[in-house]
Amino acid sequence: SQTIHQWPATLVQPVGSPLSLECTVEGTSNPNLYWYRQAAGRGLQLLFYSVGIGQISSEVPQNLSASRPQDRQFILSSKKLLLSDSGFYLCAWSWGSPLHFGNGTRLTVT
Amino acid sequence: AQTVTQSQPEMSVQEAETVTLSCTYDTSESDYYLFWYKQPPSRQMILVIRQEAYKQQNATENRFSVNFQKAAKSFSLKISDSQLGDAAMYFCAYKGPQGGSEKLVFGKGTKLTVNP
Repeated sequence: SQTIHQWPATLVQPVGSPLSLECTVEGTSNPNLYWYRQAAGRGLQLLFYSVGIGQISSEVPQNLSASRPQDRQFILSSKKLLLSDSGFYLCAWSWGSPLHFGNGTRLTVT
Repeated sequence: AQTVTQSQPEMSVQEAETVTLSCTYDTSESDYYLFWYKQPPSRQMILVIRQEAYKQQNATENRFSVNFQKAAKSFSLKISDSQLGDAAMYFCAYKGPQGGSEKLVFGKGTKLTVNP
C-alpha cells in the first residue's frame, strides 16, 4: 500500500533562517505531488505541484520554492523565512484522484 | 478558474441527529471530480467521500452521503446519526477531468460541532 511521510511535524525557526521540509511517498511510481499551506482557521492554499521529476508548477508568488529531485521526493524550501510564512504545511500525492495527505508540518516563524 | 464555495463557516448538530453541509462550485467542464475531506483537531486530512461527475448516482459511504446536483453545481454532504468523532473541519474540493489540471481546489471549510 502507498504511504506518505512528511517531516518534521513541528518546526520553530527565526525570521531570516532557511527552511527545508521534506516529503516522500512509498508504494507508487510517478505520483503527482503537492504542497499546500493552511493558515489558522482557513482553507488550503495550493503552493506548488509537480507531475514529474524536475517539473514544478508554482501557484502563487511567494518566498518559497519547491524541488523534486527524485520521483517520490518533494521538498519545500526557503532561503530566508518571513513571519508570514508561518502556517501548517501539507504534502499530498495523487495518481488520478483523490489526493492523499501527509500529517503536516506546523511551522512557526519567530 | 474553478472555485469552490462553502457558505457555512460553522455548523452544529446534536449527537445522533442528521446534518447537511453545503458546497457549490463553478466550472465549465463537464467531467470532473468532487470530494469531501475531514480535518479533525489532529489536522490530518482524511478523505470522506468522492463523486465522479459522470455518475448520476449519489455516492454513499456508511453514514456519509452526498446530494450531487450537477446542473446547479451543488455538492452537499449529509452526515446521518452524527457521532462525537464527526466533529471536525470539513472541506469540499474540486478536481478537473483526467488529463487536465491535476490541481485540487478547496473551499474554505465548515467547522462542525457535535453536541452530546
